[in-house]
Amino acid sequence: NAGVTQTPKFQVLKTGQSMTLQCAQDMNHEYMSWYRQDPGMGLRLIHYSVGAGITDQGEVPNGYNVSRSTTEDFPLRLLSAAPSQTSVYFCASSYIRGAGEQYFGPGTRLTVT
Amino acid sequence: KQEVTQIPAALSVPEGENLVLNCSFTDSAIYNLQWFRQDPGKGLTSLLLIQSSQREQTSGRLNASLDKSSGRSTLYIAASQPGDSATYLCAPLGQGGSEKLVFGKGTKLTVNP
Repeated sequence: NAGVTQTPKFQVLKTGQSMTLQCAQDMNHEYMSWYRQDPGMGLRLIHYSVGAGITDQGEVPNGYNVSRSTTEDFPLRLLSAAPSQTSVYFCASSYIRGAGEQYFGPGTRLTVT
Repeated sequence: KQEVTQIPAALSVPEGENLVLNCSFTDSAIYNLQWFRQDPGKGLTSLLLIQSSQREQTSGRLNASLDKSSGRSTLYIAASQPGDSATYLCAPLGQGGSEKLVFGKGTKLTVNP
């Protein structure tokens, strides 16, 4: 199993551009989530999904969209990038919704100029 | 809302010392608790998952305990090595049926040769 994969690993955007961060898992996990990690702020939940077609907001959802059309994929879309969205983004998945062991992807380092 | 505190925020020890990292959480109605390590610029590596029916979990030189009633978990590292230098994060899982996970900000450990 590849586990949780994320692409790209690095990305530089200009303010106002849009892009999609990709996340995929091959473990048939029903729960998937997105976090951002900033110095001094720790990991903060952006959006999560408890199954295909079901998504909900986390702690810091503004400026981000998600959808879950398949069990495997959970892309994160930045609609109009802002410098405040410069961060490291992690995707995670779990077999038992939010209570199960969490498996993390390697992260995407995003810089918005 | 779950709040997670990790003490100390940073710790520097000489090689060979035994040490304890602390994690406290405000909502004790959790299912499991997971410990991670994160190396600089890297993703999260799962160390131990303590399930609700367990009070301890061991892996090599690592031992984690969980006291749900008091809202505390400790990670014990025996005979520390320079390779243990990393940031250690804890995450209570499934509090009150919530799907939203909250992470501690971590303890940054430096083990000096």
